[in-house]
Amino acid sequence: DGGITQSPKYLFRKEGQNVTLSCEQNLNHDAMYWYRQDPGQGLRLIYYSQIVNDFQKGDIAEGYSVSREKKESFPLTVTSAQKNPTAFYLCASTPPPDRDNQPQHFGDGTRLSIL
Amino acid sequence: DQQVKQNSPSLSVQEGRISILNCDYTNSMFDYFLWYKKYPAEGPTFLISISSIKDKNEDGRFTVFLNKSAKHLSLHIVPSQPGDSAVYFCAASAPLVRDYGKLTFGQGTILTVHP
Repeated sequence: DGGITQSPKYLFRKEGQNVTLSCEQNLNHDAMYWYRQDPGQGLRLIYYSQIVNDFQKGDIAEGYSVSREKKESFPLTVTSAQKNPTAFYLCASTPPPDRDNQPQHFGDGTRLSIL
Repeated sequence: DQQVKQNSPSLSVQEGRISILNCDYTNSMFDYFLWYKKYPAEGPTFLISISSIKDKNEDGRFTVFLNKSAKHLSLHIVPSQPGDSAVYFCAASAPLVRDYGKLTFGQGTILTVHP
């Protein structure tokens, strides 16, 4: 079955460390997205990529970095510059636009906690 | 600047009755609106969407209404079932070719359906 796989499900990080969250999709979607969810808040866009080797900052990109070397993969690195990294991170993808809009499909998320 | 707002953090409904979840937006460029359902520790699941050229869209027990003049949309669930208990997010996108698929989310409403 096609889908979006995020790994690991739970991740712990010591302060001062960088950590990379994995997102892989086999839906052949061009666009991929990273969101962050905090308690009582909606999903906030961190970074997105519409095509391989290109990506754009979202609303809360500070302290994060991404790469898009392959269509299937869009890893997110949470750097030590991110002051409040504890959150639930969600990866999504969407097919290219055609006659109709298409919804985003989401992975099951990674919960990052600081030790 | 919260462009998509869900002003009710929670809603409690009796099984079999109607659930009405509301969402307001401020950006008049939004032309595509979606509702997602989310269980704890899982990714959001797409429920239903509506384009700005319509004012109503139905899919089984779920109906979305759009009032463009009021910049308001609502999700009706009839009849409500205990399995509908989850967090519901509304989301919106604008027709920018460069940023296709980019969504702005509301804060979410926790729906609890009591047996």
